[in-house]
Amino acid sequence: DVKVTQSSRYLVKRTGEKVFLECVQDMDHENMFWYRQDPGLGLRLIYFSYDVKMKEKGDIPEGYSVSREKKERFSLILESASTNQTSMYLCASSSVGTATGELFFGEGSRLTVL
Amino acid sequence: GESVGLHLPTLSVQEGDNSIINCAYSNSASDYFIWYKQESGKGPQFIIDIRSNMDKRQGQRVTVLLNKTVKHLSLQIAATQPGDSAVYFCAEETTSGTYKYIFGTGTRLKVLA
Repeated sequence: DVKVTQSSRYLVKRTGEKVFLECVQDMDHENMFWYRQDPGLGLRLIYFSYDVKMKEKGDIPEGYSVSREKKERFSLILESASTNQTSMYLCASSSVGTATGELFFGEGSRLTVL
Repeated sequence: GESVGLHLPTLSVQEGDNSIINCAYSNSASDYFIWYKQESGKGPQFIIDIRSNMDKRQGQRVTVLLNKTVKHLSLQIAATQPGDSAVYFCAEETTSGTYKYIFGTGTRLKVLA
């Protein structure tokens, strides 16, 4: 069964802390994405990566950075967490050249910043 | 996630009835659309997709209709079951082949026994 795994389902952090959210996919997908999901706003793209060591800004990159050192792993980093980064974070992956552009999502990481 | 849906429109249907969930999209040039289902505490799951060269596509118990004239997408679920209870949202690919999407805010479907 194909899978996108987010290492932490729930995190509580303090303002100013550095936060790492890890995502691993076992499907050998080229593309990986980080979204945040907030009530009434839908999913918004933070960063994405089409290949190892490659990253591109999405629609709301401010306050975030990413790392993709290996094809299967895409990390989201909050250098200094703020309360407005309290949200559900979803990682996704997709494959190039398939019949559908389907994104495979992880189960999400709910981050609360106090 | 648990907080998804606090501000969502809700559609309540009787078990066994058909459900129709609607979505308006923004870009008349978009040519690929996906419907996702998100159950409580889980990530979104692919249901069905459609390209702009089609008006209709059918899957198992689901049908997607695309009206490009009014930039409208709908998802029809036949014989709705309790397991269909979830948040449903559409996604449009912003630029063809980029795998970047704009997501709708979603509709919560409640199936009444």
